[in-house]
Amino acid sequence: NAGVTQTPKFQVLKTGQSMTLQCAQDMNHEYMSWYRQDPGMGLRLIHYSVGAGITDQGEVPNGYNVSRSTTEDFPLRLLSAAPSQTSVYFCASSSTSGRTGELFFGEGSRLTVL
Amino acid sequence: GDSVTQMEGPVTLSEEAFLTINCTYTATGYPSLFWYVQYPGEGLQLLLKATKADDKGSNKGFEATYRKETTSFHLEKGSVQVSDSAVYFCALSGQGGSEKLVFGKGTKLTVNP
Repeated sequence: NAGVTQTPKFQVLKTGQSMTLQCAQDMNHEYMSWYRQDPGMGLRLIHYSVGAGITDQGEVPNGYNVSRSTTEDFPLRLLSAAPSQTSVYFCASSSTSGRTGELFFGEGSRLTVL
Repeated sequence: GDSVTQMEGPVTLSEEAFLTINCTYTATGYPSLFWYVQYPGEGLQLLLKATKADDKGSNKGFEATYRKETTSFHLEKGSVQVSDSAVYFCALSGQGGSEKLVFGKGTKLTVNP
């Protein structure tokens, strides 16, 4: 009954460091996405994927890379972390296009960049 | 572009009070509309949705009606409980080929016993 699993739950980085936020889902969903949540800003889409091998940019893609080599996994990479990337990151998945809106979310990864 | 505006919080109510959280939207075409709920320390969960005008979504005592004439999707509950304390997000998905869900900024609800 895992659903969408994100790791790590908490991470502290120094400016300029790199890291990868992991996301895995066991529901065989084609559609996966990454959002960031900031106070007073709601959720904003970073990147999304409609299937293995296919990714595209969302509203705030700068500073982030993604890849989708399997249906199950959708990692988010920060190549050179900046304080502006301090946020809570959510991975989500859906069995159909995100347009239907029935997204299943992970529990979030809280990232602090010093 | 598409956007969602929901009432500023936080909202504090006593148990059994009536709840309304306002949500209005701007979108081209005929978007689908959603309410998501985020309980403390958790990810978001779909609460209810409506996919066309005059549809009413309902779940767990919450209701919202898709009003195209007023571009609104207000969330209501007749009698809130302490367990309803959470952050509520209004969201839309457009019809114009966009693959993203557009969220409002969220409204934090606290229900006191």
